[in-house]
Amino acid sequence: DVKVTQSSRYLVKRTGEKVFLECVQDMDHENMFWYRQDPGLGLRLIYFSYDVKMKEKGDIPEGYSVSREKKERFSLILESASTNQTSMYLCASSLPPPGMGTEAFFGQGTRLTVV
Amino acid sequence: AQKVTQAQTEISVVEKEDVTLDCVYETRDTTYYLFWYKQPPSGELVFLIRRNSFDEQNEISGRYSWNFQKSTSSFNFTITASQVVDSAVYFCALRSAGGTSYGKLTFGQGTILTVHP
Repeated sequence: DVKVTQSSRYLVKRTGEKVFLECVQDMDHENMFWYRQDPGLGLRLIYFSYDVKMKEKGDIPEGYSVSREKKERFSLILESASTNQTSMYLCASSLPPPGMGTEAFFGQGTRLTVV
Repeated sequence: AQKVTQAQTEISVVEKEDVTLDCVYETRDTTYYLFWYKQPPSGELVFLIRRNSFDEQNEISGRYSWNFQKSTSSFNFTITASQVVDSAVYFCALRSAGGTSYGKLTFGQGTILTVHP
């Protein structure tokens, strides 16, 4: 069974803290993604990674960075957490296009609250 | 740039009604993939279907059917004889397979479907 695992289901952090959200996949996928989900806005892409040590900015990268040192792990970093980063964060992985298997598999999500 | 629009924010139906969820997309790429995902109250996104840009065949899977029309850049999803278990948020998504957006996976805003008994 394919698996994308996010390290925490719920997190509460203080404004200004550096926050690490971890994601691990066991499918040997080259591509990994970080999204945030907010009501009425759907899923918005923060960053994605083609492969180890490779990253690409998504639509809303400001205030975030990422790290991919190993193929199975993709970390999202909030350099200095702010209250407007309170959200549900979703990690996903997939094979690269073209071809079969281009659909993304998602983790269970991390609900982050910044106070 | 690529974009996915789901104009219906919320839909409410009574059990056994048919319901169609609309999805319109924009892309400059000639090769791309379209997807539908379901997000039940538990929160985890569940993959429903993938379509590539060269395959305009409609698909039916049980009570679910999908209508892909390249001419109108639409990929609509119909649930026939809806059930309470179909209540969820449904997302349409677009993935580029070429060009400057290669690999990028873009989602629409989602449609909240509520099926009442």
